[in-house]
Amino acid sequence: QQQVKQSPQSLIVQKGGISIINCAYENTAFDYFPWYQQFPGKGPALLIAIRPDVSEKKEGRFTISFNKSAKQFSLHIMDSQPGDSATYFCAASITGTASKLTFGTGTRLQVTL
Amino acid sequence: NAGVTQTPKFRVLKTGQSTTLLCAQDMNHEYMYWYRQDPGMGLRLIHYSVGEGTTAKGEVPDGYNVSRLKKQNFLLGLESAAPSQTSVYFCASSYRLSGVGAQPQHFGDGTRLSIL
Repeated sequence: QQQVKQSPQSLIVQKGGISIINCAYENTAFDYFPWYQQFPGKGPALLIAIRPDVSEKKEGRFTISFNKSAKQFSLHIMDSQPGDSATYFCAASITGTASKLTFGTGTRLQVTL
Repeated sequence: NAGVTQTPKFRVLKTGQSTTLLCAQDMNHEYMYWYRQDPGMGLRLIHYSVGEGTTAKGEVPDGYNVSRLKKQNFLLGLESAAPSQTSVYFCASSYRLSGVGAQPQHFGDGTRLSIL
């Protein structure tokens, strides 16, 4: 059972454009939603995270939008750059469960010149 | 500060052979995790540990064993490797902070394991 569904599987965006990746979850007990960025040959690295007490969190060019009623959250990358080309994973966790993460299936982003 | 270090980076085994993958962290984290990453499937939790001497099963534990004899180390073992276990294995660790919710996980750079 896939508890976190991520789309699209791949995404091509022109330099300067906006990249949008979406995730939907099923378990309403999830209360921590991080996004991880992974470059080829490297491990995932935390990019930005949100908890359900806020609807949006922004860090530089990266923004998480969170819709608790729809059980959806999304990552927006503004002014996308070639250096943003990577695979992005959404994830979810529940307080009190040893910070275990349930991951989405990943989105491969390519930013073209 | 090395963070999370995984060894080896690559390993090739024949079906039926055994191996142990090592993970070491220098951040004094309580929690440690082993994941496998397969194309189109994201990362799936194999086993995890909430402290020295403790281990627990994750989503896909069959065919794997783990041990955490020291706080900084978490070992993943395959007793009889199968081709289906060909994957990239990632170790991660995180703090345990009571009352403040889940904490970020810090990942190593993975071990690429091929079973022929």
